[in-house]
Amino acid sequence: EDQVTQSPEALRLQEGESSSLNCSYTVSGLRGLFWYRQDPGKGPEFLFTLYSAGEEKEKERLKATLTKKESFLHITAPKPEDSATYLCAVTFGSSNTGKLIFGQGTTLQVKP
Amino acid sequence: SQTIHQWPATLVQPVGSPLSLECTVEGTSNPNLYWYRQAAGRGLQLLFYSVGIGQISSEVPQNLSASRPQDRQFILSSKKLLLSDSGFYLCAWSWGGLPADEQFFGPGTRLTVL
Repeated sequence: EDQVTQSPEALRLQEGESSSLNCSYTVSGLRGLFWYRQDPGKGPEFLFTLYSAGEEKEKERLKATLTKKESFLHITAPKPEDSATYLCAVTFGSSNTGKLIFGQGTTLQVKP
Repeated sequence: SQTIHQWPATLVQPVGSPLSLECTVEGTSNPNLYWYRQAAGRGLQLLFYSVGIGQISSEVPQNLSASRPQDRQFILSSKKLLLSDSGFYLCAWSWGGLPADEQFFGPGTRLTVL
């Protein structure tokens, strides 16, 4: 079964305490992996797209990496404003509609 | 730049009543359009997607339907709401004709069915 699993479900960090979020996937023919940030009551905000194993993308304190089976979102020296739910999604197969399968998300809380 | 709008922002409806949620995209042509539902504490579930006017594909059998009367307008409807239809409904768009591209989400509609 095609699926995306994120871990941990929740993560509490102190400000400045670096950590990583995991997204593992079991799909045939990965076409793209996407990271989103979602604040409570709002729509997901696009962060990164990764297409092939070994690829890395960075944005401020966030860095996303991709292997053949999983992706990591590394958060370096987080700040309270980084608190949010981080969603991972994949698109796969031969379809050109870009349908995404999402993981359940990791809720990050950064305490000052 | 591209902008996506959804309305209403919040909605409280009784069981058995009809539903109409609207989504419009500005600043692009022939986008792919999507409706998702996000239940409390759960991930996003794709409900419908459309690659063009009048072209709708359903991902999950349910009492909801979707229509795309104009290029940049996507509507989610129901004739009779169920309690299980409560949730956060999100519309998204992606560049048309290109595979594996990121999707951009609207602000969402919070639906409560009582």
